Amino acid sequence: DTAVSQTPKYLVTQMGNDKSIKCEQNLGHDTMYWYKQDSKKFLKIMFSYNNKELIINETVPNRFSPKSPDKAHLNLHINSLELGDSAVYFCASTKGGGRQEKLFFGSGTQLSVL
Amino acid sequence: GENVEQHPSTLSVQEGDSAVIKCTYSDSASNYFPWYKQELGKGPQLIIDIRSNVGEKKDQRIAVTLNKTAKHFSLHITETQPEDSAVYFCAASPQTGANNLFFGTGTRLTVIP
Repeated sequence: DTAVSQTPKYLVTQMGNDKSIKCEQNLGHDTMYWYKQDSKKFLKIMFSYNNKELIINETVPNRFSPKSPDKAHLNLHINSLELGDSAVYFCASTKGGGRQEKLFFGSGTQLSVL
Repeated sequence: GENVEQHPSTLSVQEGDSAVIKCTYSDSASNYFPWYKQELGKGPQLIIDIRSNVGEKKDQRIAVTLNKTAKHFSLHITETQPEDSAVYFCAASPQTGANNLFFGTGTRLTVIP
């Protein structure tokens, strides 16, 4: 039973395309996140949602739009993909509001923009 | 905002030796310091954390120390094993402001059998 699952695992696409990454958690957690890990392994938060409400929205281009249909799902849609968007994107969740709690990460989606 | 620096970026040790990874942080309001381990092709996993009201915490072969005055904290792994090979991230979280974890840049640990 995968706790935090995201699909697809690999995504290869052309510049200018629009793509989505899906994430689901079966832990009953209240808060979900998207993190971006660049080629140097640097991890940076992009968004967090608590019970479908946007809590954190870091300085991310508005081509990135998170959508949370319910508290178990947080999808990431990216418009007009650029070369610099190539990275590994991790979905994560925390049990409560997230303050200083254990993060449960998915296994990542490696996005390659050609 | 918080800035977390981590050293070294790569570390190779012989199996059975100890490994130490060090981090510094900038925001004196940070009071929660977790360590995550990322194995190849997987997401990071929490291995140990420490809060600012304690100076040291141990869990079997791993330990974390915190020096609030100097704003640095370290991960110690003793009796290293090949399965300890991974990328390790430190992080810091301020007790106020937006709920956020600020990660270090990672240390790739290789344990040589």
